[in-house]
This record gives sequence, C-alpha cells and structure tokens, in this order.
Amino acid sequence: GIQVEQSPPDLILQEGANSTLRCNFSDSVNNLQWFHQNPWGQLINLFYIPSGTKQNGRLSATTVATERYSLLYISSSQTTDSGVYFCAGTFLTGGGNKLTFGTGTQLKVEL
Amino acid sequence: NAGVTQTPKFQVLKTGQSMTLQCAQDMNHEYMSWYRQDPGMGLRLIHYSVGAGITDQGEVPNGYNVSRSTTEDFPLRLLSAAPSQTSVYFCASRSRSSYNEQFFGPGTRLTVL
Repeated sequence: GIQVEQSPPDLILQEGANSTLRCNFSDSVNNLQWFHQNPWGQLINLFYIPSGTKQNGRLSATTVATERYSLLYISSSQTTDSGVYFCAGTFLTGGGNKLTFGTGTQLKVEL
Repeated sequence: NAGVTQTPKFQVLKTGQSMTLQCAQDMNHEYMSWYRQDPGMGLRLIHYSVGAGITDQGEVPNGYNVSRSTTEDFPLRLLSAAPSQTSVYFCASRSRSSYNEQFFGPGTRLTVL
C-alpha cells in the first residue's frame, strides 16, 4: 500500500531555533497537506501544497512531487509551535478519496 | 461559515451501547469522511461519502455505519460499541476534486468501557 513516512519522529528545540520536517511518500501525489495538531487535539491546516513552495509567516513548505517528498520549515520556533505535525496526501492509486497520513513528528519547543 | 462541526466533544459508553456521532458542514462540500486517531498514530479513514446518497468504506470500516441523506450532514453510527473503538474521531470535508484540501472538525473523544 501507499506509504507516508515522516522524520524525525520526535524533535526538541530551544525557542528561537529553526527546524526542517520531512515527509516522504511512495506514490505520485494528487494533494499534499501539512497539519499541526495542537496539545488540545485540534487539527489545524497549515499548507495545501501538492507541488512548489508556499510561505505563511514563520512557516514554509516545499513539495517536490517528482521526487516524492515534502518539507516543512519552521523558523524562529516558539513554544506555541509545540504539538504533532502531520503530512497527509491523496494519491493517484488511492483513487483520490483517501487522505493517507504519516505517523507525525512530535515537536516540543522549550524556553 | 462555521466550517466542519462535530458533536459531542466527549462521550463515554459502555460495551454494547450504541450511539451516533454527528458531523455537519456549511461549505457545500460534496465529499465528507470520518477518520479515527489512536494514540501515537496518524488518522485512518473509516467511511467516506462523495455526495448525498453515496457512501463507501475506508480503511477501518468494521463496527461503523454511515448514511448521507443531505449534503450538510454525515453521521457516524456505532451499533454495538467495543473497547477497541475507544479513539478520537474526526470528520472532514472537501469539494469534489481530489485536488482540493480537506478541512477537519474539532474531533470527538470517545471512551468505551
């Protein structure tokens, strides 16, 4: 089946540090999204990025669909960035109806 | 727009009880789906619907029923709850094209004793 792998699984940062989260996928992607799940469990849409680069404040994301990976950059991290970051995609062989999630990167930002 | 709404936020059931998790969206999205999230894992698809009157199974459909009588509502029914169904349930919606992003509700935390 389709595999979506995220790395690293866990990450601890000091406030103000930068980080890069990676998402590798095993098939051609229709749609790729990045989510932040905050400590209260809420899923927040960060980026819808099937290809190319987007930026939103301190966050940016790049998807290279031909090489089957996506990156999420967090700059000048803050304690409110803590939580789990998921990438998820719909894929050509999945029929486009199923969003397949990676297992997430657990991020903790410390003072 | 309220987006995707779910009720209840929390629920505790005894084994064998039945209940319905409610999901509604006001974005006129054709596609709606239910996911469950277990500890330390990403979300897994339970059932989905591509429009009123049309539903299909996802990755983990056993023990759950759905129906879609209107565009706005997509309830998830547990007919006979089991402890293995203890999880957090998320409802999502998007417009028809598979190239459009999905929007998630706030989740329902269900515990089955």
